[in-house]
Amino acid sequence: KQEVTQIPAALSVPEGENLVLNCSFTDSAIYNLQWFRQDPGKGLTSLLLIQSSQREQTSGRLNASLDKSSGRSTLYIAASQPGDSATYLCAVRPSDYKLSFGAGTTVTVRA
Amino acid sequence: DTGVSQNPRHKITKRGQNVTFRCDPISEHNRLYWYRQTLGQGPEFLTYFQNEAQLEKSRLLSDRFSAERPKGSFSTLEIQRTEQGDSAMYLCASSPLGYEQFFGPGTRLTVL
Repeated sequence: KQEVTQIPAALSVPEGENLVLNCSFTDSAIYNLQWFRQDPGKGLTSLLLIQSSQREQTSGRLNASLDKSSGRSTLYIAASQPGDSATYLCAVRPSDYKLSFGAGTTVTVRA
Repeated sequence: DTGVSQNPRHKITKRGQNVTFRCDPISEHNRLYWYRQTLGQGPEFLTYFQNEAQLEKSRLLSDRFSAERPKGSFSTLEIQRTEQGDSAMYLCASSPLGYEQFFGPGTRLTVL
C-alpha cells in the first residue's frame, strides 16, 4: 500500500522567505505526482503536476521536483506572501486512477 | 465557470437519516472520482467511474454508501442511516482518461 508523508505538518515563516515543503512516498511505481493547495473549508486547487518521467515542473513562483527512485518530491515557493497561507497537499497516483494523499503541510506566512 | 461543482456545499443531518450529494464534473471528462476528507487528514479515495461504469470501490465505502453516474454525466453519492463517523468533507473530482484530476469545492457533512 502506498504511504505518503509530508513533513513538517505546520510551518510559519515571515513574508518574503522562501518555502520548502517535503513529500515522501513508499512505492516508486507511480504515474505522476500532484501538489494541491487547500484553503480552510474549501476544495483542492491543483498547483503542479509532475509526470513520472519528469524531474521538475515550474509555474510562476512555484517549483516542484521529483526524485522517483528515492520516493521524494519537494515544493518550493519563492518570496512567500501572506496570500500563500494555506494547507499544501501532495498526492501520488500509484495506479491508473486514484490518488494517494499525504496529510498536508499547513503554512502561515506572517506579514 | 466550467469547473467541477458540488451540491449542497453544507449538509447538517441527524444520525440515522439518509443524505444525497451531487457532483457535476467538467463536461468533457469521462472519469469521476469521490474522496472523503476528515479534519487534519488528506483526502481518501472512495470510488470512481469511467463514463457510467463504477470501476472501483474502496473498502471505506461500506454498504450504507452508494454512488451512481446514470448517464455518464453527473454523479450522486448517497449515505443511508448516517452515523457520526460519517461527518467529513466529501470531495468530487473529474479528469480526462488518466490525466490530471480537478476537484470541486466539496460538500461538508455534519451528522448530529
